[in-house]
Amino acid sequence: EIVLTQSPGTLSLSPGERATLSCRASQSVSSSYLAWYQQKPGQAPRLLIYGASSRATGIPDRFSGSGSGTDFTLTISRLEPEDFAVYYCQQSVTFGGGTKVEIK
Amino acid sequence: QVTLRESGPALVKPTQTLTLTCTFSGFSLSTSGMCVSWIRQPPGKALEWLALIDWDDDKYYSTSLKTRLTISKDTSKNQVVLTMTNMDPVDTATYYCARTSIYSSSWLFDYWGQGTLVTVSS
Repeated sequence: EIVLTQSPGTLSLSPGERATLSCRASQSVSSSYLAWYQQKPGQAPRLLIYGASSRATGIPDRFSGSGSGTDFTLTISRLEPEDFAVYYCQQSVTFGGGTKVEIK
Repeated sequence: QVTLRESGPALVKPTQTLTLTCTFSGFSLSTSGMCVSWIRQPPGKALEWLALIDWDDDKYYSTSLKTRLTISKDTSKNQVVLTMTNMDPVDTATYYCARTSIYSSSWLFDYWGQGTLVTVSS
């Protein structure tokens, strides 16, 4: 079973800064299978990115995904106040442990 | 518009069986490629996938929990039911149902219910 390891655990940034989140798989996975979700406090997760780099419906273009093999990245180009949340990567039925993006 | 809503008890006692219902609208579970999953999240922790049922009534379960889980659907009522036996305090979590779509031979959880918090305590 594939394990997804996300880093860092917490990212402290200011609005307007760039956020780079990492998701590493324990073995190579198809890019088609990698997705990212955003979860705000008290809310359900929301699909952001699928197929490693395709944005889901309604997701702003400041969110982008990249990567292949075992290393994948979610980038938020300029943080808006509403972007401070926890982000999870997912492959098949496995989720990573999450990265919390908090206000510095 | 796709919506899902979880319902069930907020409190169960240890050793009891939990039954949760997901009622959905905006899609049909008889449509090829459509699935519904159950996913849970203990307080302050990460997401854990539990089970999935697809349009063809095929069922998939978490390896670690499969002996305790049963998933079923009632297509006419647009409902999916999850039962989990022998509940323990470590099963305390928010339980979500999510529409699951097939994308390039993998699964995407593209719409989620609001979740229901289940506490296991005597």
